[in-house]
Amino acid sequence: GDSVTQMEGPVTLSEEAFLTINCTYTATGYPSLFWYVQYPGEGLQLLLKATKADDKGSNKGFEATYRKETTSFHLEKGSVQVSDSAVYFCATHDGSSNTGKLIFGQGTTLQVKP
Amino acid sequence: DAGITQSPRHKVTETGTPVTLRCHQTENHRYMYWYRQDPGHGLRLIHYSYGVKDTDKGEVSDGYSVSRSKTEDFLLTLESATSSQTSVYFCAISEKGTQNEKLFFGSGTQLSVL
Repeated sequence: GDSVTQMEGPVTLSEEAFLTINCTYTATGYPSLFWYVQYPGEGLQLLLKATKADDKGSNKGFEATYRKETTSFHLEKGSVQVSDSAVYFCATHDGSSNTGKLIFGQGTTLQVKP
Repeated sequence: DAGITQSPRHKVTETGTPVTLRCHQTENHRYMYWYRQDPGHGLRLIHYSYGVKDTDKGEVSDGYSVSRSKTEDFLLTLESATSSQTSVYFCAISEKGTQNEKLFFGSGTQLSVL
């Protein structure tokens, strides 16, 4: 079945460092791909998405490119801030039905130190 | 922010007792979902609803039931709580359930089963 795999965390970086969080997927067809972010004590919120191959999603300095050839959707940011400390989830739609269900990766905790 | 309210926000209960969690939305969205979040597993779908009185199982539905008697309310019931059901529970909604559509999440319910 469809699945999403993220790199293990936690990831600890210093402020202004470069961030990459790896995400790979297996899916039926070519589903949309998403990155969600969860700040401490809150629910998930959409960070960015891409709907087809070679699309680049971007928001708040974060970027991710839909790579069909490598089935990947890695999250990147050129210079992280302390306020980026959160849990990041990669997700894709369940391709077996048209019900909007999302399949999530395990989540990657990012801690940014000043 | 989407109007999604989960109640209660925190609950402690004993093994064997019934528990009901409530999700209330003010967006008139058709689709509603219950996920649980556990370390190392990300978010996993418990049940979802595609309309009033229309529900279906997700990947981890054993021990849970749901009901949706009104568009705005989606209830999750643990008939007889077990310690393995200690988790953070998130409700989510989407308008049409399409492949490109994002989900909006509530703030979560922290449930502890002792």
